[in-house]
Order: sequence, then C-alpha cells, then structure tokens
Amino acid sequence: GDSVVQTEGQVLPSEGDSLIVNCSYETTQYPSLFWYVQYPGEGPQLHLKAMKANDKGRNKGFEAMYRKETTSFHLEKDSVQESDSAVYFCARDNQAGTALIFGKGTTLSVSS
Amino acid sequence: DTAVSQTPKYLVTQMGNDKSIKCEQNLGHDTMYWYKQDSKKFLKIMFSYNNKELIINETVPNRFSPKSPDKAHLNLHINSLELGDSAVYFCASSHRAYNEQFFGPGTRLTVL
Repeated sequence: GDSVVQTEGQVLPSEGDSLIVNCSYETTQYPSLFWYVQYPGEGPQLHLKAMKANDKGRNKGFEAMYRKETTSFHLEKDSVQESDSAVYFCARDNQAGTALIFGKGTTLSVSS
Repeated sequence: DTAVSQTPKYLVTQMGNDKSIKCEQNLGHDTMYWYKQDSKKFLKIMFSYNNKELIINETVPNRFSPKSPDKAHLNLHINSLELGDSAVYFCASSHRAYNEQFFGPGTRLTVL
C-alpha cells in the first residue's frame, strides 16, 4: 500500500516544550517524504522534505529524518512557539510519482 | 505575483445546481491537481493533469469534470451538486519530476 499514518487529533504543548509528531509510511518502495503545514484559511504549504533514506529535512527549527529501517519520518522541534500553531500533514508521493498521499493531519496548538 | 490562484474563494449554492471553480498557476509548472479537504481536514487527491492530459482520476463521481485549456489552467466543473460535495477544494501545481506541490488558497464550497 501507499498509506501514511501520523499522530492524529490535537497536540497541546506549552511554549518552550519539545515536540514530536509521529509519521510512518507503508510502502514496498521508498518514496519522497514531506511535511506540509496549513494555517487557518490558507492552502497547505511545504514545510520540509527528504528525498531518500538518511536525508534530514529542516525548516524554522523543525527537523525530520527519513528512516528506512523504521519507515518513519517524525517531525521534531526542541522548543515550540505559539506561532508554530497550525495543522501539520505528513505526505509521501505515490508509487507512480504522480500525486501526494497525505496523512490525516495533526493540529498543533501551542499555548503561551 | 500570486503563484497559484483560485476563484471564487467562497461558493454557496443550492443542491442540484452546476458550478465551476477556476485555477491558474504562473510558476511554469507542467502538472496541476485538484484536492478535496473535508470537514475533518482530510486531504485527498481527485485529479491530476500533466501537460493538459489527465493522468490521475481517483474515485470521484462523474459529476466532477476537470478541464485544462492550457498548462497554466485547470478548472473544475461540478454538475448536480449534492450536500456531500460541501468541502474546501484546493488546486495545486508542480514540476512532475520533483513533485513538490504548491497549493492555492482554496475554494470553500457550501451546498444548501
């Protein structure tokens, strides 16, 4: 299959807390992996990406490592800020490389 | 200098009507997409066009018909609208080989 499974629902850290949002992909091949972020009233936008195993995507203090052995691409940040509040989607390209398959999204709400 | 634009932003209509949503990209991309985002924020691919040719048509009712007059435009026409069509529809574009997709701001469709 081509599915992506991520932490569902809401994550409610306080400012300064560390963050991990889990993402795992099911595959018989090794896809390109992405995290997209969606702010209220806007379309999703690319947050970071990794094209192959052991690549690490980075953006605005967030990181995600493409791990082949655990088929994971967890999103991590050492210290979240209120401005990080948004919906985060883990995604992968499909086997044909013609579209993105998204996880169900994780709502991050950071309190000050 | 908007990259991917959609019109209208909001569309409220009665069941049974026919409506269209327009999308334009000025990024020079060769591939365009339509996604549907439901009330739980789940994003699902509907259609994908590459160089004006349909390359993906997911399980979407044939009341939905995409039309691509040129590489920069991909419009979505919906016939006989139903309550369950209410959602936010996103257009996106990419260079097929890289599959990093750029999304428009979305069209919120409400069917009454």
